[in-house]
Amino acid sequence: QQQVKQSPQSLIVQKGGISIINCAYENTAFDYFPWYQQFPGKGPALLIAIRPDVSEKKEGRFTISFNKSAKQFSLHIMDSQPGDSATYFCAASIGSSNTGKLIFGQGTTLQVKP
Amino acid sequence: KAGVTQTPRYLIKTRGQQVTLSCSPISGHRSVSWYQQTPGQGLQFLFEYFSETQRNKGNFPGRFSGRQFSNSRSEMNVSTLELGDSALYLCASSLHGGGDTQYFGPGTRLTVL
Repeated sequence: QQQVKQSPQSLIVQKGGISIINCAYENTAFDYFPWYQQFPGKGPALLIAIRPDVSEKKEGRFTISFNKSAKQFSLHIMDSQPGDSATYFCAASIGSSNTGKLIFGQGTTLQVKP
Repeated sequence: KAGVTQTPRYLIKTRGQQVTLSCSPISGHRSVSWYQQTPGQGLQFLFEYFSETQRNKGNFPGRFSGRQFSNSRSEMNVSTLELGDSALYLCASSLHGGGDTQYFGPGTRLTVL
């Protein structure tokens, strides 16, 4: 029940295309859903996060769509660029519990071809 | 503001040895969490410290331990190293934990031979 399932494992997109990564969870107590971006040799960096009281959040080219009833959320990267090539992780936590425990998905390696 | 720093960046140890990794959080952050990252298991939560107290612990054996000092700096220790402990160990800091943004350090790459 603590798992977060992420798909696809890898993704190849042409420059200018839309990259879509999906995540699903079981624990309905989760109330904080961040997405992290990780480049080789670096630690993960927060990209965008959402809470279940909204169905969509957009920041620049990055959008999170959240479906509470389906217990799914997804990351959309519009106008994908070669510089977006990285590994993306979705995560979930019980933010109201005051602990910093994040449950991560398995990651998606994105390659954007020029 | 300086980011999260971790030392050392790389470490090579042999089986049976012990190792201590250090993490300095962003100034003002009181929560420090540790994660293990491996190709097979992904990112897994080890433990979290807040105001020098362990607030949460993941499913790792007792060989993995940690502590936090009064200045919020944290250390994690792994005793009796096994080959499977080879991983990237990441620490993340946040103001209070919970739904606060967690900022990750670059990690310590541990190789156990």
